[in-house]
Amino acid sequence: GAGVSQSPSNKVTEKGKDVELRCDPISGHTALYWYRQSLGQGLEFLIYFQGNSAPDKSGLPSDRFSAERTGESVSTLTIQRTQQEDSAVYLCASSLEASGGEQYFGPGTRLTVT
Amino acid sequence: AQSVAQPEDQVNVAEGNPLTVKCTYSVSGNPYLFWYVQYPNRGLQFLLKYITGDNLVKGSYGFEAEFNKSQTSFHLKKPSALVSDSALYFCAVRDIVGGNQFYFGTGTSLTVIP
Repeated sequence: GAGVSQSPSNKVTEKGKDVELRCDPISGHTALYWYRQSLGQGLEFLIYFQGNSAPDKSGLPSDRFSAERTGESVSTLTIQRTQQEDSAVYLCASSLEASGGEQYFGPGTRLTVT
Repeated sequence: AQSVAQPEDQVNVAEGNPLTVKCTYSVSGNPYLFWYVQYPNRGLQFLLKYITGDNLVKGSYGFEAEFNKSQTSFHLKKPSALVSDSALYFCAVRDIVGGNQFYFGTGTSLTVIP
């Protein structure tokens, strides 16, 4: 079946502009995660959605970052007033069950802020 | 605090030799442990997981990992390395007690030398 998809695959934006990144999880996966991966770094947790529960936003680095998820489907990560330090690959992952389920990752969106 | 450590940034091994990629963890309660692989310009792929049961778990592409509770380790192993195994490997632990967040190590770059 189809895997996790993300769009756009690449995004170049000017400092100060807003960007919106999209994630389509695997159908039926109740959990969805956003991560940020900077060059040479590990994965930085951003936000976690599980079903209809309130999202875990503890990883969002500033109030310029926000994310939404419609039910158990599409999620969008929005970065307002982008800064150069926001440049990174943004990864989305989904999993079938809350506990024990492995994550399936999308290909990522490479964001470059000039 | 929950955390994962991958003490080696880089591991080099000759083709045909056994390989080990190290991972240690710190987590409250029983650990849910995972290994992921990231090939160049591709998303992360799930390799294997330990939830409970046999300490030796087998996964994709001939990889296996051994859970050692006393040493809080979950090292990734393969008996005979292939050049195609060259990639970035991430260890992760799931915090079931604290809210299902995943914590990733900083990654280990594996190079298999022909």
